[in-house]
Amino acid sequence: SQELEQSPQSLIVQEGKNLTINCTSSKTLYGLYWYKQKYGEGLIFLMMLQKGGEEKSHEKITAKLDEKKQQSSLHITASQPSHAGIYLCGADKGGGADGLTFGKGTHLIIQP
Amino acid sequence: SQTIHQWPATLVQPVGSPLSLECTVEGTSNPNLYWYRQAAGRGLQLLFYSVGIGQISSEVPQNLSASRPQDRQFILSSKKLLLSDSGFYLCAWKIFPGYTFGSGTRLTVV
Repeated sequence: SQELEQSPQSLIVQEGKNLTINCTSSKTLYGLYWYKQKYGEGLIFLMMLQKGGEEKSHEKITAKLDEKKQQSSLHITASQPSHAGIYLCGADKGGGADGLTFGKGTHLIIQP
Repeated sequence: SQTIHQWPATLVQPVGSPLSLECTVEGTSNPNLYWYRQAAGRGLQLLFYSVGIGQISSEVPQNLSASRPQDRQFILSSKKLLLSDSGFYLCAWKIFPGYTFGSGTRLTVV
């Protein structure tokens, strides 16, 4: 089965600084999703990447999928308190199975 | 508009008691629906998914079951809860470009 490993597990960043979160898959990614979760709440969809080398941006968040489609990175520029939360990467299960496999998440804390 | 509803928001249940969590979607027909559980230290795990009325696929053998009695309704149940069933349960709906999640139910089994 496919496994997604996220790094780092937790991250404390000073407000205004840039940061990067990584998501590495044990298998080729056919659809990679990034979500944000506030503690105790549902998941908010950020972006979905499908093609090798693809890059998407939303406000100050940019996500990339590498050419080999086994790793994705999420980059936040000039972090703000509103960026705090848990970032989760998810991948299409593939092989005819439905739903997503998720990484364990990255806890992001923004220090003022 | 297209929305997903999940309730209750929080639930405290004794060991051995039954469970019923409900999820409904609005503004669509024949949606693909999913139940996930988020437990401490284990990440978000897919439990069940359904592509239509009466069609349930189970991803992980466990003490839970799911049913889809109506097109836009997905129910998660248990006959007898275990302590290990505690967690944050999320319903999701597949709608392009991603999956939309409900607000979740925090279940504590005591």
